[in-house]
Amino acid sequence: SQTIHQWPATLVQPVGSPLSLECTVEGTSNPNLYWYRQAAGRGLQLLFYSVGIGQISSEVPQNLSASRPQDRQFILSSKKLLLSDSGFYLCAGKRGASGLETQYFGPGTRLLVL
Amino acid sequence: AQSVAQPEDQVNVAEGNPLTVKCTYSVSGNPYLFWYVQYPNRGLQFLLKYITGDNLVKGSYGFEAEFNKSQTSFHLKKPSALVSDSALYFCAVSPGGATNKLIFGTGTLLAVQP
Repeated sequence: SQTIHQWPATLVQPVGSPLSLECTVEGTSNPNLYWYRQAAGRGLQLLFYSVGIGQISSEVPQNLSASRPQDRQFILSSKKLLLSDSGFYLCAGKRGASGLETQYFGPGTRLLVL
Repeated sequence: AQSVAQPEDQVNVAEGNPLTVKCTYSVSGNPYLFWYVQYPNRGLQFLLKYITGDNLVKGSYGFEAEFNKSQTSFHLKKPSALVSDSALYFCAVSPGGATNKLIFGTGTLLAVQP
């Protein structure tokens, strides 16, 4: 099965500073990749997904952007962080486009914006 | 609209007793159904999924889930709860076919008392 790596594990950033969170995937090629945000330890919000290099779909308009410079690398960025960007960010990947494939999740990044 | 409902924010059960975490869904077509578990400050771990065939699906850590098409439900069960099962549980549905996204429920916190 796939292994999803994320770093950093935790991050404390001031308001207005830039952000870069990285996700890499092992164990599969050409995965579908996803960024989720989890606020207050409960519901998951899908932010972005990518079906291939350079292909990004945004689910909600916001202060964040995503990029996929390599097949197994997915980056979440911001030019200027807002307080509301605080949360737990999860990267996930699955093999191929079929809905029956399982999404596997990384360990997450805890972001605190002060 | 396609959706997943987890009607209980929290389920409390005594160690050794059976547990059930409920999930109902509303999607068109033949869905694929998933259960994930999340321990504090960790990513989601895949437990089990229903694709087709036998309505009773067995997964990791002794968990199982029963697919009921007429009731559009996919309840998670375990015959004998452990304190270590205490965690946040998410039900998710993929509407079927070639799709890139999972629809998640809001999560149910399972608390197993010793």
